[in-house]
Amino acid sequence: QSALTQPASVSGSPGQSITISCTGTSSDVGGYNYVSWYQQHPGKAPKLMIYEVNNRPSGVSNRFSGSKSGNTASLTISGLQAEDEADYYCNSHTTSSTLRWVFGGGTKLTVL
Amino acid sequence: EVQLAESGGGLVKPGGSLRLSCAASGFTFSSYSMNWVRQAPGKGLEWVSSISSDSSYIWYADSVKGRFTISRDNAKNSLYLQMYSLRAEDTAVYYCARDNLWASDYWGQGTLVTVSS
Repeated sequence: QSALTQPASVSGSPGQSITISCTGTSSDVGGYNYVSWYQQHPGKAPKLMIYEVNNRPSGVSNRFSGSKSGNTASLTISGLQAEDEADYYCNSHTTSSTLRWVFGGGTKLTVL
Repeated sequence: EVQLAESGGGLVKPGGSLRLSCAASGFTFSSYSMNWVRQAPGKGLEWVSSISSDSSYIWYADSVKGRFTISRDNAKNSLYLQMYSLRAEDTAVYYCARDNLWASDYWGQGTLVTVSS
């Protein structure tokens, strides 16, 4: 199955805002409001940051927000901090074939 | 506190088999679907398989269909992944994760599977 498309890398300075895109199809991102985003620091397990497109789990900073337009979802991080430097993955429910979930290829965020 | 702990990883030869386990605690295991997700060294996350709370629905990625079997024992609060006909490309850290809010809200720390001769 094809992964969702994310930019390989993005960067920003402390205090700035960045946006990571995640492009899929009408069978996944465009068809359902079941897009989630995960943060992963090196050597650590992924952490859920956004679920159902734009909802934050308890304990996740409100600097993280999500949105969706058509087949593309986005994660925005405002007020960049050094600890935000990590890999970010989008994920969507899919009805392609007999699958259930599909991930994006991941985006490396560098805080300059 | 929700906790997930994977075990069973290790070194296996191509064509071999391995069974991964995931012990769950801190929540009502029988009420949640569960997922296996893997990550090859230096690569991104790949969804592997999911199972509904009562095992009535099961899904597999095309890359493992016919070779891997997901199962669960709600009485033992445990999730399993039986892997057969292992290939070098199955080498990865395997995570179990709780399926909730149409996402994976809690993850274990992972167990490393290495397929090599």
